[in-house]
Amino acid sequence: DADVTQTPRNRITKTGKRIMLECSQTKGHDRMYWYRQDPGLGLRLIYYSFDVKDINKGEISDGYSVSRQAQAKFSLSLESAIPNQTALYFCATSQTNSNQPQHFGDGTRLSIL
Amino acid sequence: QKEVEQNSGPLSVPEGAIASLNCTYSDRGSQSFFWYRQYSGKSPELIMFIYSNGDKEDGRFTAQLNKASQYVSLLIRDSQPSDSATYLCAVNSNSGYALNFGKGTSLLVTP
Repeated sequence: DADVTQTPRNRITKTGKRIMLECSQTKGHDRMYWYRQDPGLGLRLIYYSFDVKDINKGEISDGYSVSRQAQAKFSLSLESAIPNQTALYFCATSQTNSNQPQHFGDGTRLSIL
Repeated sequence: QKEVEQNSGPLSVPEGAIASLNCTYSDRGSQSFFWYRQYSGKSPELIMFIYSNGDKEDGRFTAQLNKASQYVSLLIRDSQPSDSATYLCAVNSNSGYALNFGKGTSLLVTP
């Protein structure tokens, strides 16, 4: 089983719908992150969480919200999806030490029509 | 803005050759450096990390770090077609909250 699991893997939805992407991990890491990836723009940080009560905005948080339900679970919501939120979304985790690498889930391909 | 720069490529090398991928960064306080490989439509996969100046070897991969010049490179020896992917450089500092990623270099290994 994957250490960092994202659901769903693929989602097609319509403009204005509320969408939730879920991430769970079995690595025991405190830190969790949400990124989106667009062709030519690389990985961009949406939100990050250092523990259940510590949630922070990344560089592109507008239009998104997150919830850290437990150490192992971090979900990303699009309250009212718009077409330019069509992208590949990745969840990642890391240990508390900032020198540690991040480990990525398999990603969610989200298409908003 | 803490920048991590990579040539987007594509870098094309013949099978069996050495592929050299480069990355420069702007934050002099950077402490840790990572290379990820990403196949099209897949997630980034960690392949190397380096913390100290000099070279670090792992199988066919060698990471090189020069903090004075603020660059980190990845060498892939005996390149194989299966190495064809995008390689992401990522950099962190002790004051950083997350990794700063470059946009990646596309590598194509031709048979």
